[in-house]
Amino acid sequence: NAGVTQTPKFQVLKTGQSMTLQCAQDMNHEYMSWYRQDPGMGLRLIHYSVGAGITDQGEVPNGYNVSRSTTEDFPLRLLSAAPSQTSVYFCASTGSGVETQYFGPGTRLLVL
Amino acid sequence: KQEVTQIPAALSVPEGENLVLNCSFTDSAIYNLQWFRQDPGKGLTSLLLIQSSQREQTSGRLNASLDKSSGRSTLYIAASQPGDSATYLCAPLTDSWGKLQFGAGTQVVVTP
Repeated sequence: NAGVTQTPKFQVLKTGQSMTLQCAQDMNHEYMSWYRQDPGMGLRLIHYSVGAGITDQGEVPNGYNVSRSTTEDFPLRLLSAAPSQTSVYFCASTGSGVETQYFGPGTRLLVL
Repeated sequence: KQEVTQIPAALSVPEGENLVLNCSFTDSAIYNLQWFRQDPGKGLTSLLLIQSSQREQTSGRLNASLDKSSGRSTLYIAASQPGDSATYLCAPLTDSWGKLQFGAGTQVVVTP
């Protein structure tokens, strides 16, 4: 199993540009989530999904969009990038809401 | 809202010493608590998951304790090695939707 994969590894955007961060898992997990990690602030939840077609907001959802059309994929869209969205983004998945969570390697995003 | 605090923020020890990492959380109504390891520039790797009904969980040189009523967990790493150098994060789970709340982490350096 590849586990949780994320692409790209690193991306530079200009303010106002849009992009999609990709996340995929091959463990048939129902639960997937996106976190951002900023220095001194720990990881904060952006959006999460409890199955295909079901998503909800986390702690810091503004400026981000998600959808879940398949069990395997959970892309995160930045609609109009801002410098405040410069961060490292991690995707995670778990089989049920109370089991071990598995994280991807992260996407480092720089918004100029 | 769950608040998670990890003390100390950083720790440097010589090889062979035991490590004691502390995690406290404000909402004791948790399902479980996970300890993760994060190497620089990498994703999170799950080390231990301790259920709310458990007092301890062990894996090799790692032992995690949980005192749910007082909102505390401790990760012990016996006979530390330079390869244990990393940031350690704790994350209690307070709902069944897989939404983790993270502490800022303890950065550990083990010197040869």
